[in-house]
Amino acid sequence: GAVVSQHPSWVICKSGTSVKIECRSLDFQATTMFWYRQFPKQSLMLMATSNEGSKATYEQGVEKDKFLINHASLTLSTLTVTSAHPEDSSFYICSARDFDRGGTEAFFGQGTRLTVV
Amino acid sequence: GENVEQHPSTLSVQEGDSAVIKCTYSDSASNYFPWYKQELGKGPQLIIDIRSNVGEKKDQRIAVTLNKTAKHFSLHITETQPEDSAVYFCAASFGNEKLTFGTGTRLTIIP
Repeated sequence: GAVVSQHPSWVICKSGTSVKIECRSLDFQATTMFWYRQFPKQSLMLMATSNEGSKATYEQGVEKDKFLINHASLTLSTLTVTSAHPEDSSFYICSARDFDRGGTEAFFGQGTRLTVV
Repeated sequence: GENVEQHPSTLSVQEGDSAVIKCTYSDSASNYFPWYKQELGKGPQLIIDIRSNVGEKKDQRIAVTLNKTAKHFSLHITETQPEDSAVYFCAASFGNEKLTFGTGTRLTIIP
């Protein structure tokens, strides 16, 4: 299957600072990427849909000013958690679809464990 | 919007036995149903998927069945092995629109 790489795999930051998470499609172009948040022992919660060259579409209840998404190229989307607080600590996962292969299959990155202290 | 329910939430089976996980969906327009395996601390890995024009799909020890009329689909794992232990998620979508995930099943294979 297609490869989606996410970086970093884990990060610890101080409260009030910002953290950037990168999501790259390594062997295909992704016009659309998705960002999820997952709490322990829970399912994936879609935060936003990232579209190359345009604004992201955020799910209801997700603060767009806190979770900044940039999709500047067909292979890279970034999620920046601004002014992070302990309640932002979570597992963040991105996914992308390979439209050259039909676009239906979604491949996930390895996730980023964010801990805000 | 779409709603996906998944059962059971936990499942323990003896090594070598079969495991079955079931999901139901609410939106009859959904036509794509993937299954993901997630190991601790990692992202979900696509293990098998099925589209609405097919009733069953098999890949070695893994199979998925779909009943469009009843709006439910199931994951079947035969001859289970310890490495099958993980959390499994079903999902549903219409085409390449966003996926709606089930709540997950924690599968434990007992040696």
